[in-house]
Amino acid sequence: EDKVVQSPLSLVVHEGDTVTLNCSYEVTNFRSLLWYKQEKKAPTFLFMLTSSGIEKKSGRLSSILDKKELSSILNITATQTGDSAIYLCAVKGQGFSFIFGKGTRLLVKP
Amino acid sequence: EAQVTQNPRYLITVTGKKLTVTCSQNMNHEYMSWYRQDPGLGLRQIYYSMNVEVTDKGDVPEGYKVSRKEKRNFPLILESPSPNQTSLYFCASSLYPSGQLNEQFFGPGTRLTVL
Repeated sequence: EDKVVQSPLSLVVHEGDTVTLNCSYEVTNFRSLLWYKQEKKAPTFLFMLTSSGIEKKSGRLSSILDKKELSSILNITATQTGDSAIYLCAVKGQGFSFIFGKGTRLLVKP
Repeated sequence: EAQVTQNPRYLITVTGKKLTVTCSQNMNHEYMSWYRQDPGLGLRQIYYSMNVEVTDKGDVPEGYKVSRKEKRNFPLILESPSPNQTSLYFCASSLYPSGQLNEQFFGPGTRLTVL
């Protein structure tokens, strides 16, 4: 059965800290891994990583895919209170399905 | 404005009363999907559709039906809702079901309560 596990489930840091969020997966025929940010509304897309694109960066956020370890990390440097959100990891599963992890709830304190 | 819309946004109903949650996208996307989000369980896929008249089950399809008669619309039907279907529902779409352009855009969500 396809599975996506995120850790930690929750995290509290102070502004300026650097955080690393983890996502590990077990899926048949891996094709892509996606990161989303969810504030008090719908998830919004951050990154997509595939076998041909294993590292992405946008401002203070970056993500790396480790195909050997079947995992990905999402790094946020110099965190701000606006980074407080639930961060979701999803992997393309069987057929055209998507499997989401339970998310990491990040709280950034001033 | 490119968007995914859902209606209604909030709904309180009673057990057994059939309901439909509509989803529409104006981006000419091929792929559409329904998810439910529950505390501690994350987002779980209910059904998805690769194109018109092509649908398939996700992780938690029991108690739900879908149809894709037009490219832009993908309604979610609960024929006989039960309290365990109380949840936050999201519709999402992407240009293609696979490849480089399969990032999903999510609708605003529908909060459903079944009494």
